[in-house]
Amino acid sequence: ILNVEQSPQSLHVQEGDSTNFTCSFPSSNFYALHWYRWETAKSPEALFVMTLNGDEKKKGRISATLNTKEGYSYLYIKGSQPEDSATYLCASPSRTNAGKSTFGDGTTLTVKP
Amino acid sequence: EPEVTQTPSHQVTQMGQEVILRCVPISNHLYFYWYRQILGQKVEFLVSFYNNEISEKSEIFDDQFSVERPDGSNFTLKIRSTKLEDSAMYFCASRSASVLGNEQFFGPGTRLTVL
Repeated sequence: ILNVEQSPQSLHVQEGDSTNFTCSFPSSNFYALHWYRWETAKSPEALFVMTLNGDEKKKGRISATLNTKEGYSYLYIKGSQPEDSATYLCASPSRTNAGKSTFGDGTTLTVKP
Repeated sequence: EPEVTQTPSHQVTQMGQEVILRCVPISNHLYFYWYRQILGQKVEFLVSFYNNEISEKSEIFDDQFSVERPDGSNFTLKIRSTKLEDSAMYFCASRSASVLGNEQFFGPGTRLTVL
């Protein structure tokens, strides 16, 4: 059974703080890892699709790293802004054509002005 | 930019009633999915659909659930006789073929409340 875990469950930071959260997943038979940003009443928005061990991807102030051997990925936000407040989900898709995704619980970030 | 859309955004129904949740996937996508998230729990896979048939389904997707792509653009999820525990946010997703990493694009969800 594929189990994807995220920590912490929630995080409250001040504007300007940098922060990071973790996604862990089984390292055996790894295929890919997705990070999503999800604001209430909106579609979960794909931030990163990561496939290779050692991958580091960046989008503005947000970056992510991937370690497939030990089964974790970190998401970093540098200089958090109130608009970064959202739930951040990681998901591991299967490598089959159906490609269903198994999600973590999410980390809910609140950035206070 | 193309996006997945879902209607309605919120559906309230009585227990035992049938509901149909509608999705319009991105037009050139070939794989379609339904997921749901019960409040406070993880997003869970329900079913995937390709080439007009179900590719894979979870244990949750029992005989009360069905999916259809009736007209080449809509993708629907039907729950025949809703139960209280069906109350959740239901997400539709789609993806194109042969995408490295199987990236899926999600709709904004339909919140189903069963009374």
